[in-house]
Amino acid sequence: NAGVMQNPRHLVRRRGQEARLRCSPMKGHSHVYWYRQLPEEGLKFMVYLQKENIIDESGMPKERFSAEFPKEGPSILRIQQVVRGDSAAYFCASSRAGHTDTQYFGPGTRLTVL
Amino acid sequence: GQSLEQPSEVTAVEGAIVQINCTYQTSGFYGLSWYQQHDGGAPTFLSYNALDGLEETGRFSSFLSRSDSYGYLLLQELQMKDSASYFCAVKGLNYGQNFVFGPGTRLSVLP
Repeated sequence: NAGVMQNPRHLVRRRGQEARLRCSPMKGHSHVYWYRQLPEEGLKFMVYLQKENIIDESGMPKERFSAEFPKEGPSILRIQQVVRGDSAAYFCASSRAGHTDTQYFGPGTRLTVL
Repeated sequence: GQSLEQPSEVTAVEGAIVQINCTYQTSGFYGLSWYQQHDGGAPTFLSYNALDGLEETGRFSSFLSRSDSYGYLLLQELQMKDSASYFCAVKGLNYGQNFVFGPGTRLSVLP
């Protein structure tokens, strides 16, 4: 049973470019969460999605960031016009049910903005 | 809202027992979770306390006291591989409220 998959594992972008981060949840999981982690810091919630729906995006910056979880395919976290401050590890987690269920994390995507 | 506090660092020797505390301020939550994260790795689920009391999973145990707004993770028979960061997290009561993680405790196990 494969765990949560994320790709790419490492992503380098220049300022102003776009970054696309992908997350495939565990089999049987329909709830996806995105977190950001800066070096030496804890995880910060960004967005919670179910298939085709954004449930909670209270942690997402208002500009340049968007997320989707289409009916088919992985969840995508998209960052437009990246800036140096976007450099961080972005983790995706999934759960079978939402709201109270345990979240299992993927290996993360480490984004570096030059 | 919710906020959690943890000690930033803890050091112990192999074979010892260590307790990592987590105090919180929250208007209500479903339970307290604990995650382990090695440097450069992903957070790994360790345990979950929905009810007050002690939950034991092998060398790791976790405790919750809602009346004291307090929980802890207990690691026994420490091994070098236990050196990692440990995060507590709570899940809010309202639909859509998601996990809030504590700042993490960095555990260093010395030989």
